Amino acid sequence: AQTVTQSQPEMSVQEAETVTLSCTYDTSESDYYLFWYKQPPSRQMILVIRQEAYKQQNATENRFSVNFQKAAKSFSLKISDSQLGDAAMYFCAYRTHHGSSNTGKLIFGQGTTLQVKP
Amino acid sequence: NAGVTQTPKFQVLKTGQSMTLQCAQDMNHEYMSWYRQDPGMGLRLIHYSVGAGITDQGEVPNGYNVSRSTTEDFPLRLLSAAPSQTSVYFCASSPLSSGSKDEQFFGPGTRLTVL
Repeated sequence: AQTVTQSQPEMSVQEAETVTLSCTYDTSESDYYLFWYKQPPSRQMILVIRQEAYKQQNATENRFSVNFQKAAKSFSLKISDSQLGDAAMYFCAYRTHHGSSNTGKLIFGQGTTLQVKP
Repeated sequence: NAGVTQTPKFQVLKTGQSMTLQCAQDMNHEYMSWYRQDPGMGLRLIHYSVGAGITDQGEVPNGYNVSRSTTEDFPLRLLSAAPSQTSVYFCASSPLSSGSKDEQFFGPGTRLTVL
């Protein structure tokens, strides 16, 4: 079974600085998807960024980028120029590739609470 | 287009009571699922469905029932509430097709407290 681990329960960053959130996962599959979700105090789950395992290029979305190390099964999220609005809980998630009976099922890490200091 | 809606937003139950958490989506998504969120444990899958009439268990199904009579609705039933079911519950939906671009859309969540 696949597992996702976020070993940092809490992180803090100064406004305008850069922070990296860590995520490791375990799987025997070769093709899958990885995601980072943001959950602000409103509780709404917001997709931040996605990565397809067969793509070697790291995904980027504006100030958000990932460092995807497939061999090490690592998927960290880098937030550049941190803003007060980035304060939230961040979840790393894994999803099996299409074609398996697990299509659509997300496996989440424990979450990392990010505090942004003004 | 309302996306994924959940009702109620908050609920307090007594041990042993039963209730149904409602979830509806208007995006014609085949895939729908229920997660529970507990501190320090992330979101865990309770049940999921790949289409009307088809449901399956996730990681933590005990104490919960689901049914999928229509594409739009996917209610979650607590048969006999227990304090261990105190949690925040999320419903999510997505198209059932390949690709990471098939984003899962989450509802706003239901905070359930069982006394």
